[in-house]
Amino acid sequence: AQKITQTQPGMFVQEKEAVTLDCTYDTSDPSYGLFWYKQPSSGEMIFLIYQGSYDQQNATEGRYSLNFQKARKSANLVISASQLGDSAMYFCAMRVGETSGSRLTFGEGTQLTVNP
Amino acid sequence: NAGVTQTPKFRILKIGQSMTLQCTQDMNHNYMYWYRQDPGMGLKLIYYSVGAGITDKGEVPNGYNVSRSTTEDFPLRLELAAPSQTSVYFCASSPGQGTAQHFGDGTRLSIL
Repeated sequence: AQKITQTQPGMFVQEKEAVTLDCTYDTSDPSYGLFWYKQPSSGEMIFLIYQGSYDQQNATEGRYSLNFQKARKSANLVISASQLGDSAMYFCAMRVGETSGSRLTFGEGTQLTVNP
Repeated sequence: NAGVTQTPKFRILKIGQSMTLQCTQDMNHNYMYWYRQDPGMGLKLIYYSVGAGITDKGEVPNGYNVSRSTTEDFPLRLELAAPSQTSVYFCASSPGQGTAQHFGDGTRLSIL
């Protein structure tokens, strides 16, 4: 069975600083993908970044980057130059295999608060 | 530019009532999903579909049914509402394997 673990229920960061949100995963399938989603207090789910298990380089999307360490089974999200609007719940999710219909398994989330 | 549309946004049901949560997408995505999110928790997959006429169970399917008669629509049916089904329900779609899922805004459902 696959599992996603986010060990930080809450994180605080000062505006303009960088922050790392932790995510570890467990799967025996060699083909998988890791996603990060942001959920603001308004409730919608916003896709941030994706990393495939066979991707050679760490994914980056603007201020978001994914620190992918395959041997450690970790896929941490790094947010650079934090902004007040980054305050939200962040979810790590995993898709396993090639025939699973791209189903996602989600972690329990990290609540990020950006302080002015 | 609607994306994934869910209706209703809010609903209160009495125990034992039934209802259908509607989900439609206009992106011609093959894959569609239903998740539930309990307070302070991550999302859990209820059902998913890889194309019209094909559905399969996710992690927490008990108490729910789905159908997929068209590419656009993926309704979720609650037959006998129970308090344990109080949750926020999200519908999502994606074009294929390994692609990001696009989420609707959610339906907040309370069973009293």
